[in-house]
Amino acid sequence: GAVVSQHPSWVICKSGTSVKIECRSLDFQATTMFWYRQFPKQSLMLMATSNEGSKATYEQGVEKDKFLINHASLTLSTLTVTSAHPEDSSFYICSARALGLYQETQYFGPGTRLLVL
Amino acid sequence: QKEVEQNSGPLSVPEGAIASLNCTYSDRGSQSFFWYRQYSGKSPELIMFIYSNGDKEDGRFTAQLNKASQYVSLLIRDSQPSDSATYLCAVMSGGSNYKLTFGKGTLLTVNP
Repeated sequence: GAVVSQHPSWVICKSGTSVKIECRSLDFQATTMFWYRQFPKQSLMLMATSNEGSKATYEQGVEKDKFLINHASLTLSTLTVTSAHPEDSSFYICSARALGLYQETQYFGPGTRLLVL
Repeated sequence: QKEVEQNSGPLSVPEGAIASLNCTYSDRGSQSFFWYRQYSGKSPELIMFIYSNGDKEDGRFTAQLNKASQYVSLLIRDSQPSDSATYLCAVMSGGSNYKLTFGKGTLLTVNP
């Protein structure tokens, strides 16, 4: 199936710092990528939809100035958590919409575990 | 509000048995239906998708869709301990945003 990578796989940072997470589609082009957050024992929560070359669409309750999304190419989207605080500690997962050879659906990256101290 | 409902479980079955996972959805305009498997601490992995009413089989997995009843299920035959995971039902509605609405997942435990 379609392969999506994320980097880094985990990060520990101090409160107040910014953290950038990269999401790459390795063997296909993704005009649309999605960013999710998942807290322990809870379901996936969609944060935003990232479209290549345009502004991201944020879900209700998600602060766009805190979670900056850039989708500058067909294979790369980045999520920057600005001024991170302990409550931002979570499992961040991206997915990419695949077309063409692959089934029209979302394929997930392996996730990035963020711990803010 | 589009909703996808799943029994949270846990669902416990013995090794070799059939595990049956169920999902209902509220949006009649939904067109595509997906089952993802998520192991603890990992991201979701696509298992199966189904578009048309009826059954679709892939190895030990069978997805069943009934649009009239707004119901989709996943059967796992010859369940193995390695199938123990949370199974997420996801629904894609018509339209151009391609967003998936996920259920909260059913935790399946296969006992050796």
